[in-house]
Amino acid sequence: GAVVSQHPSWVICKSGTSVKIECRSLDFQATTMFWYRQFPKQSLMLMATSNEGSKATYEQGVEKDKFLINHASLTLSTLTVTSAHPEDSSFYICSASAGGSGKDTQYFGPGTRLTVL
Amino acid sequence: DAKTTQPPSMDCAEGRAANLPCNHSTISGNEYVYWYRQIHSQGPQYIIHGLKNNETNEMASLIITEDRKSSTLILPHATLRDTAVYYCIVNTAAGNKLTFGGGTRVLVKP
Repeated sequence: GAVVSQHPSWVICKSGTSVKIECRSLDFQATTMFWYRQFPKQSLMLMATSNEGSKATYEQGVEKDKFLINHASLTLSTLTVTSAHPEDSSFYICSASAGGSGKDTQYFGPGTRLTVL
Repeated sequence: DAKTTQPPSMDCAEGRAANLPCNHSTISGNEYVYWYRQIHSQGPQYIIHGLKNNETNEMASLIITEDRKSSTLILPHATLRDTAVYYCIVNTAAGNKLTFGGGTRVLVKP
């Protein structure tokens, strides 16, 4: 149980284009979903938290107009990187949780590697 | 959120128990201790979590000291596939935000 998928697993795009990444909870309803970014040899950094049907809450320093997050259902959240640039190249990882408190375990997807040329 | 301190790396012998320490001296009474691991180029994998009591599942055991200021993750019989970065994280009861530190890079050797 507690499986989270991401699609695509990797993507290469040209600078200036937009890329959408999907995150799905396959066997549970995710009230809360999270998006992280990980640069090479670094740890995961939380980008934003989204609750189903609500606007996402972004961490300090993360541009909400550049990283559009939609959490329209209890099993799907999407992250769209708009006007991507080479510095946006990174490993993007989502997680999903059945609830919003510390006792609700976050389960992570396999990640999406984005390369912007 | 309470911070955690872990050794940056450790080696373990295949087939032996691996004991991974974590200090969280500023933990609050309602904060949980979570352990995840990340194998290269994959998303983190949930291992175990606890509040006050020791916990055990099919993957590992979590031993939390009585004062809750530290904990130890025990992998009972380490295999080569357990080579990964292990993260000890204290999770706030409100908001459920995970803050990843540097973790411990565990290398299981034959």
